[in-house]
Parts: sequence; structure tokens; C-alpha cells
Amino acid sequence: GAVVSQHPSRVICKSGTSVKIECRSLDFQATTMFWYRQFPKQSLMLMATSNEGSKATYEQGVEKDKFLINHASLTLSTLTVTSAHPEDSSFYICSADVGGVSTDTQYFGPGTRLTVL
Amino acid sequence: SQQGEEDPQALSIQEGENATMNCSYKTSINNLQWYRQNSGRGLVHLILIRSNEREKHSGRLRVTLDTSKKSSSLLITASRAADTASYFCASVNQAGTALIFGKGTTLSVSS
Repeated sequence: GAVVSQHPSRVICKSGTSVKIECRSLDFQATTMFWYRQFPKQSLMLMATSNEGSKATYEQGVEKDKFLINHASLTLSTLTVTSAHPEDSSFYICSADVGGVSTDTQYFGPGTRLTVL
Repeated sequence: SQQGEEDPQALSIQEGENATMNCSYKTSINNLQWYRQNSGRGLVHLILIRSNEREKHSGRLRVTLDTSKKSSSLLITASRAADTASYFCASVNQAGTALIFGKGTTLSVSS
């Protein structure tokens, strides 16, 4: 089946620094990738939809200047948390859409645990 | 806002028992999906049921969909300790571009 990887799996950083998280589709091309964040014991909240070669579409309430998304190729999307603060500590999960505009089939990465001190 | 609402929020059962989780959603859907998440891990797709289907089976999983009530249920039969996880329903947002997840049910199966 389709595999999506994320790197790093876990990161601890100091407040004010920037952190980049990579999401890769390993054995398929993903026109669309999605970024979610998940607080402890809560559900996944969609942050943005990332389309290869174009600007990401952010959900309401998500600061696009703080959460920079780049989808430079069909197999890689990156999320950069700029000037991270403790409240940005969360579990970030990406997913990739296997086919066209349909969201019938999404494959999820294993997630990245971000801790901001 | 989130599309789905699951209940119960938490469920504790013994191995061998059946577990039923319910999901309600707000808008029209083309399909509804169920996912499982082990603690601190990514999501695993379990099953997808389309709006014109009423019931679907996959192994020990049985999913029903009632579009008139905008609700779905996930039944896990003969549960095992390995079924311990959080379960989420998800449906496509109104723009048709992304999945929106419910709050999830945390299932604990003890041996």
C-alpha cells in the first residue's frame, strides 16, 4: 500500500526558533497533501491543504505566516513552524491524496511530535 | 468546525465483547470513513462507506450508514486487546477538498 513518511518523528526546540517538518510520499505521487495538528486527547484539526506547485490553502484561524507550507514536488511537502512558542507544541500529521481531486483515499504519515520549550 | 461527533468519547470493554461507536455528521456526504489511531501514532484507514450504501463489512468490522439521520456506526466484534486505540469518523468537507474528523472514541480493551 501507499506509504507516507514524516521527518522528524520528534523534535524539541527552544521558543523563538523555527522547525521544519517533512512529509514524503514514498511510492506514489501526491498532487495534494494535507497538514493536521492534534492536541492531546483531541481530534485532528485540518490546518491546510497543500497542492504541488501552488500556494497552500489554509483553514480559518490558521496563520499562514506562522505555518509555512511548501509543496515543491509531487512527493514532498514541508511545514515550517516559524518563531515557535510553547502553545505550538502539538502532534503534526500529514496525509497524501492518492488520486486526483477525490479524497476517497488518503494515507497518513506517522506524525511529528513538536515540543517547544 | 468539525464535521463529525462520535459517541461515546470513551469505551472500556473486555476481550471478546463487541464495541460499538457512533458518529453523527452535519452536512451531506459522498462517503464516510473510519480511521484508527494508536496512541501517539498516525492514522490507519479502516473502512469507507459510500452514501448509497447502508452497511459494509471488513473482517471484524461492520459499518452502517443512515443518511436520513446523518449518522454512522462502527461495530468491532470479538474485540482484542490490540483493538485498543482511538477511532475517528471522517467525511469530506463542503468544498470537497479535505477530510474533516470527528472528536473520536477512545476504546480500551482489557484482557
